[in-house]
Amino acid sequence: DVKVTQSSRYLVKRTGEKVFLECVQDMDHENMFWYRQDPGLGLRLIYFSYDVKMKEKGDIPEGYSVSREKKERFSLILESASTNQTSMYLCASSLQGRVGTRTNEQFFGPGTRLTVL
Amino acid sequence: DAKTTQPPSMDCAEGRAANLPCNHSTISGNEYVYWYRQIHSQGPQYIIHGLKNNETNEMASLIITEDRKSSTLILPHATLRDTAVYYCIVVYSGGYQKVTFGTGTKLQVIP
Repeated sequence: DVKVTQSSRYLVKRTGEKVFLECVQDMDHENMFWYRQDPGLGLRLIYFSYDVKMKEKGDIPEGYSVSREKKERFSLILESASTNQTSMYLCASSLQGRVGTRTNEQFFGPGTRLTVL
Repeated sequence: DAKTTQPPSMDCAEGRAANLPCNHSTISGNEYVYWYRQIHSQGPQYIIHGLKNNETNEMASLIITEDRKSSTLILPHATLRDTAVYYCIVVYSGGYQKVTFGTGTKLQVIP
């Protein structure tokens, strides 16, 4: 089974701190994604990566950056955390398969609930 | 990318069929419809996908209208464990998999 792990389930940080959220997948997937989930707003894509060192902005990239130095690891970075970044953060991965096949399925991690005080 | 519209919430009696609608009126010919669900405190999980034809697997059935502007996910015999948020998304067949999940439908299965 595909496994996507995230470094922490719960994290509490202070305003202005630099925050790293780590995501690791063990199935050699090309694509990796970072989402945030807020009540009433659903899942929103922050960034995604389709290859090592490659990244694309999602719908809400402001205030975030990402790093993908190895295929299995995708990091989300909050350069200077703010209270409006308090949220649930979800990482996902998928194969770069042909859309319309099951190979495009995104596998999600358990999430990190980040609180910025 | 095409956007989808789903009702925010629905109830279904346990043992009955749950029919979850989704509108994707601006879908293009090379976009697929995917359904995921998210059980409380977990990440979303794939259910089913389709292009034009109706699809069925061990979890659900997907009915896509002939004009492809809407679809319905059917859980034939809903159980309490099916209580979750259900997301309908469209995925472009070319390029990379940037998708928008939206807010989904909160399905409450009632005993």
